[in-house]
Amino acid sequence: DQQVKQNSPSLSVQEGRISILNCDYTNSMFDYFLWYKKYPAEGPTFLISISSIKDKNEDGRFTVFLNKSAKHLSLHIVPSQPGDSAVYFCAASSGTYKYIFGTGTRLKVLA
Amino acid sequence: DVKVTQSSRYLVKRTGEKVFLECVQDMDHENMFWYRQDPGLGLRLIYFSYDVKMKEKGDIPEGYSVSREKKERFSLILESASTNQTSMYLCASSLYTGVGETQYFGPGTRLLVL
Repeated sequence: DQQVKQNSPSLSVQEGRISILNCDYTNSMFDYFLWYKKYPAEGPTFLISISSIKDKNEDGRFTVFLNKSAKHLSLHIVPSQPGDSAVYFCAASSGTYKYIFGTGTRLKVLA
Repeated sequence: DVKVTQSSRYLVKRTGEKVFLECVQDMDHENMFWYRQDPGLGLRLIYFSYDVKMKEKGDIPEGYSVSREKKERFSLILESASTNQTSMYLCASSLYTGVGETQYFGPGTRLLVL
């Protein structure tokens, strides 16, 4: 039973355009959400997070949106760059150290 | 800059062998984690340690054990490796156990059990 789902296994976007990565969750007790980025042969690195008391958090080119009623979050990357090509994982937590990770979306930014 | 290192990038073992995966972090972090990453399943927590000699089971602890004798080192042990333990193993650490505490990951060990 996958509590955190990333339904798009892959996404291709032209350089300079917006990339939108989506994540759905089923557990209404989740109150903190994170995005991690993973390059091949490297471990995941933290990208951006959002608490359930907010609906948006921005950090440079990266913005995460949270829609609690829909149990949906999304990561927007604007503008997309070739160096953003990686696998992106969303993760959720319900007030503990424990993260539940999604299955990942492979983003390819085309030059 | 936090550094989490894992002893091997690739390992090939035979069914029934005892396998040790080592992880070391250099930032005096309290917490350390072992995950496995499989296609279509994301990252799943195997074990967590919040202090030396302290551990908690994660979501999929069966077939694994762990050891944390020193704060900086966290070992994952496969007592008798099986083919269904072929996977990518990722170690992580975090400073505290607070909500949303960033976890820092090592590069991973890709284990193949034949």
